[in-house]
Amino acid sequence: GEDVEQSLFLSVREGDSSVINCTYTDSSSTYLYWYKQEPGAGLQLLTYIFSNMDMKQDQRLTVLLNKKDKHLSLRIADTQTGDSAIYFCAESGGSYIPTFGRGTSLIVHP
Amino acid sequence: KAGVTQTPRYLIKTRGQQVTLSCSPISGHRSVSWYQQTPGQGLQFLFEYFSETQRNKGNFPGRFSGRQFSNSRSEMNVSTLELGDSALYLCASSLGRDSNQPQHFGDGTRLSIL
Repeated sequence: GEDVEQSLFLSVREGDSSVINCTYTDSSSTYLYWYKQEPGAGLQLLTYIFSNMDMKQDQRLTVLLNKKDKHLSLRIADTQTGDSAIYFCAESGGSYIPTFGRGTSLIVHP
Repeated sequence: KAGVTQTPRYLIKTRGQQVTLSCSPISGHRSVSWYQQTPGQGLQFLFEYFSETQRNKGNFPGRFSGRQFSNSRSEMNVSTLELGDSALYLCASSLGRDSNQPQHFGDGTRLSIL
């Protein structure tokens, strides 16, 4: 079945850029999503990209999509301690139910 | 616009009991999905309801069931609770008319089984 892979941890210094990577297997993926989960909360939709786009920018967030390699990344510019959270990549390929990765824990050091 | 609301936020039960969790979707959203989140298994899909009908189902035993009402609110029920059912249960809603519409999540119900 479809699979979405992410590295488990990423540690960065405050003020640096963070890049969280994700790979997926479903070649029919049409939308790809990034969610953020803070402790004790649900998943917050950060941004999403349609598969015919290469890039989407939204303030400090930049999403890059390499459809050939089935690789998605989320770049957070000027990372702040408030960005510390778990980030989930998800894809939907014609199903009503997206497939989620296991999440990447972003730790931001002051 | 109010977000997805889940009640209660926390629940403590003992083995063998049953529990009902509630989810109110964003106004206008007709699809409601339920997920179980645990540290070991990550986010696992339970089931999805659209217009009061179960449209998709994950790989959970029959002890896990759900329903959706005409106002799109949904409930999920777990019977004969086991220690392994301790988890964060998340509800997500979307417009649901076609696939690829993003899901919006509530803050979850934390269920602890003693």
